Amino acid sequence: GAGVSQSPSNKVTEKGKDVELRCDPISGHTALYWYRQSLGQGLEFLIYFQGNSAPDKSGLPSDRFSAERTGGSVSTLTIQRTQQEDSAVYLCASSPTGIDTQYFGPGTRLTVL
Amino acid sequence: DQQVKQNSPSLSVQEGRISILNCDYTNSMFDYFLWYKKYPAEGPTFLISISSIKDKNEDGRFTVFLNKSAKHLSLHIVPSQPGDSAVYFCAASGGSSGSARQLTFGSGTQLTVLP
Repeated sequence: GAGVSQSPSNKVTEKGKDVELRCDPISGHTALYWYRQSLGQGLEFLIYFQGNSAPDKSGLPSDRFSAERTGGSVSTLTIQRTQQEDSAVYLCASSPTGIDTQYFGPGTRLTVL
Repeated sequence: DQQVKQNSPSLSVQEGRISILNCDYTNSMFDYFLWYKKYPAEGPTFLISISSIKDKNEDGRFTVFLNKSAKHLSLHIVPSQPGDSAVYFCAASGGSSGSARQLTFGSGTQLTVLP
């Protein structure tokens, strides 16, 4: 079956611009997660959705970062006024209930010039 | 403070031999542990998991061992194959209810299986 998909696969933007990253989870998965991996670093948790609500936003690095999920499915991660330190691979994962295995998408590589 | 640590950034093993990847954690509230494999330009792929009520879980060539008293887990791959060459991440979840089931990842170990 279809896995988690993310778009775009690559995004190059100029410092100060806003970007939107999209995640389509596995159909029927109620939980959705965003992580990011900066160069040479491990995966860092950003935000978690259960349905359309986000009970855990503790990993968002600043108020320039926001995310939403609609229809219990697609999620978008928005970064406003991008900075060079935002350059990273942004990974989305979903899981059936939120207390089990998470399945990852291929990621979006964001480069801020 | 890193709660999940993979102290070996790289490991090289001969094809057919055993690969042992190690992971240590500090948070005693973690109760579910996973291993993921990651190829360049792809997302992590789930390999195997173990809950804290077990000390071993096996799936084909992959076995995960958990030593709760030492806060240590390991992934054994037997026999190792060249296609196993990838970065392996250890991850853990659990803790306070407020943090739900976010995964805390180690920094990864690059496994190279030599033909």
